[in-house]
Amino acid sequence: SQTIHQWPATLVQPVGSPLSLECTVEGTSNPNLYWYRQAAGRGLQLLFYSVGIGQISSEVPQNLSASRPQDRQFILSSKKLLLSDSGFYLCAWRGPGNSGANVLTFGAGSRLTVL
Amino acid sequence: AQTVTQSQPEMSVQEAETVTLSCTYDTSENNYYLFWYKQPPSRQMILVIRQEAYKQQNATENRFSVNFQKAAKSFSLKISDSQLGDTAMYFCAFTDAGNNRKLIWGLGTSLAVNP
Repeated sequence: SQTIHQWPATLVQPVGSPLSLECTVEGTSNPNLYWYRQAAGRGLQLLFYSVGIGQISSEVPQNLSASRPQDRQFILSSKKLLLSDSGFYLCAWRGPGNSGANVLTFGAGSRLTVL
Repeated sequence: AQTVTQSQPEMSVQEAETVTLSCTYDTSENNYYLFWYKQPPSRQMILVIRQEAYKQQNATENRFSVNFQKAAKSFSLKISDSQLGDTAMYFCAFTDAGNNRKLIWGLGTSLAVNP
C-alpha cells in the first residue's frame, strides 16, 4: 500500500534562517507531488507541484522553492525565512498520469513558526 | 475561471442528528470530479467522499452521502447520525477529468458536533 511521510512535524525557526521540509512517498512510482500551505486553519494554497523528477511548477511567487531530486521525494526550501512564512505545510501525492479521478492523499503536515 | 464556493464558514449540529454542508462550483467542463475532504483538529487531511460528474447516482460512504446536482453545479455533503469525531473542517474540491495537476478548493466549513 502507498504511504506518505512528511517531516519534521513541528519546526520553530528564527527569521532569516534556512528551511527544509521533506516529503517521501512509498508504494507508487512517478506520483504527482504537491506542497500546500494552510494559514490560520482555513484554506489551502497550492505552492508547488511536480509531475516528475526535476519538474517543478510554482503557483505563487514567494520566498520558497521546491525540488524533486528523486521520483518519490519532494523538498520545500527557503534560504531566508520571513515571518509571513509561518503556517501549516502539507505535502500530498496523486497517482501518475492525467486522470482527474486520482485521489489526493496528504501527509500529516508540518507546522512552521518563524520568530 | 473555475471556482469552488462554500458559503457556510461555520456550522454546528447535535450528536446523532443530520447536517448538510453546501458547496457550489463553477466550470465549463462536462467531465470532472468532486471531492469532500475532512480535516480534524489533528490537521490530517482525509478524503471523505468522491463523485464523478458522469455518474448520476450520488456517492455514499457509510454515514456520508452527497447530493450532486450537475445542472445547478451543486455538491452538498450530508452527514447522518453525527458523531463527536465528525468535528472538523470540511473542504470541497474540484478537478477536471483531464487535469491531474491541481485541485480547486473551497475555503472550508468548520463543523462542530455538540454532545
